[in-house]
Amino acid sequence: NAGVMQNPRHLVRRRGQEARLRCSPMKGHSHVYWYRQLPEEGLKFMVYLQKENIIDESGMPKERFSAEFPKEGPSILRIQQVVRGDSAAYFCASSPQRGDTQYFGPGTRLTVL
Amino acid sequence: KNEVEQSPQNLTAQEGEFITINCSYSVGISALHWLQQHPGGGIVSLFMLSSGKKKHGRLIATINIQEKHSSLHITASHPRDSAVYICAVFYNTDKLIFGTGTRLQVFP
Repeated sequence: NAGVMQNPRHLVRRRGQEARLRCSPMKGHSHVYWYRQLPEEGLKFMVYLQKENIIDESGMPKERFSAEFPKEGPSILRIQQVVRGDSAAYFCASSPQRGDTQYFGPGTRLTVL
Repeated sequence: KNEVEQSPQNLTAQEGEFITINCSYSVGISALHWLQQHPGGGIVSLFMLSSGKKKHGRLIATINIQEKHSSLHITASHPRDSAVYICAVFYNTDKLIFGTGTRLQVFP
């Protein structure tokens, strides 16, 4: 059973470009969570999704950030018009049920030049 | 004040020592995670617990819901235990709120 997959592992973007981060949950997991870790800071919750639904997006910046988890395919975290402050590690986690143990992917390290 | 506080922030130990990392939280929770983040950045879930005590190998985690406190113990520490240990609490069952982590270095 493969673990949580994230790609790309490293992403470099110039200011103003778009970044798309992908997360494939573990098989049988329908709950996906995105977290951000800024340099030298702790992890922060961004958004919680279940298939085709956003359950809690209270940690998402109001502008430029969006997330989806379609019926088929991976969950996508999209950052439009990236700025230097978006440089961070973005982790995805999945769980089989709400409130269950979360299993983390390896993360995507975004660098904005 | 952070909702989840960990202590100490940094910890060094000699191989073989008994390690304790503490976590206190101020919100009502349904469960608590202990996570390990290696220097490469990957995050591994060590324990999820909502009461009592759990043990896995040399790792032991305890939680006291009334006192809002949890501890992670490592017995017979080894250099490969060197990592950042993160306490995270389930808030409203939806999301994790993380402590700032404890950086552990174990020297041979």
